[in-house]
Amino acid sequence: SAVISQKPSRDICQRGTSLTIQCQVDSQVTMMFWYRQQPGQSLTLIATANQGSEATYESGFVIDKFPISRPNLTFSTLTVSNMSPEDSSIYLCSVDIPGGDTQYFGPGTRLTVL
Amino acid sequence: DQQVKQNSPSLSVQEGRISILNCDYTNSMFDYFLWYKKYPAEGPTFLISISSIKDKNEDGRFTVFLNKSAKHLSLHIVPSQPGDSAVYFCAASDAGGTSYGKLTFGQGTILTVHP
Repeated sequence: SAVISQKPSRDICQRGTSLTIQCQVDSQVTMMFWYRQQPGQSLTLIATANQGSEATYESGFVIDKFPISRPNLTFSTLTVSNMSPEDSSIYLCSVDIPGGDTQYFGPGTRLTVL
Repeated sequence: DQQVKQNSPSLSVQEGRISILNCDYTNSMFDYFLWYKKYPAEGPTFLISISSIKDKNEDGRFTVFLNKSAKHLSLHIVPSQPGDSAVYFCAASDAGGTSYGKLTFGQGTILTVHP
């Protein structure tokens, strides 16, 4: 299993600003992911955070809007840039454990943009 | 294009009875399916999974059934308990089994179990 923490747990931000969300895992993992859950919607994958190389973004998500860092095998950050109210969502990181029985999710960061 | 669909937004069940949550998918490349439970202000918690080579997997009160020909899976909870009240998400992966990779989620079903 894996224990995942995220900071901050929630934030209220002004339009046009940026917020960086941190994800820390208690063990080394190869695969880390960032998801978004918009209000009343399902979870959607933003990108795969690759250690030592650029993140792999899903269709509809771009690096300029959602820059991701992955400096080592236990940590990643997601930045939501130039925020608008449409960015109000829960942002979740997740990890795959090799040979594990599931993909584990962090507690999420609830972002509200005014 | 919603590749994983949960057509029932909500389900209400009496305590002790069976809860059946349904999920349909369209992508025949999906080879692993997972069910997650989510409480407000928390991340999704894994419940049970099933490989496409199986048609049933059981874990305690939870059983998942997979019908590949119909591209349909269901989660059975027996007996249902008030603590089971949460949002349930069906998710699918086409990563081939060595890891889960990208998960494609359904919209979720809100389960309410009444005492």
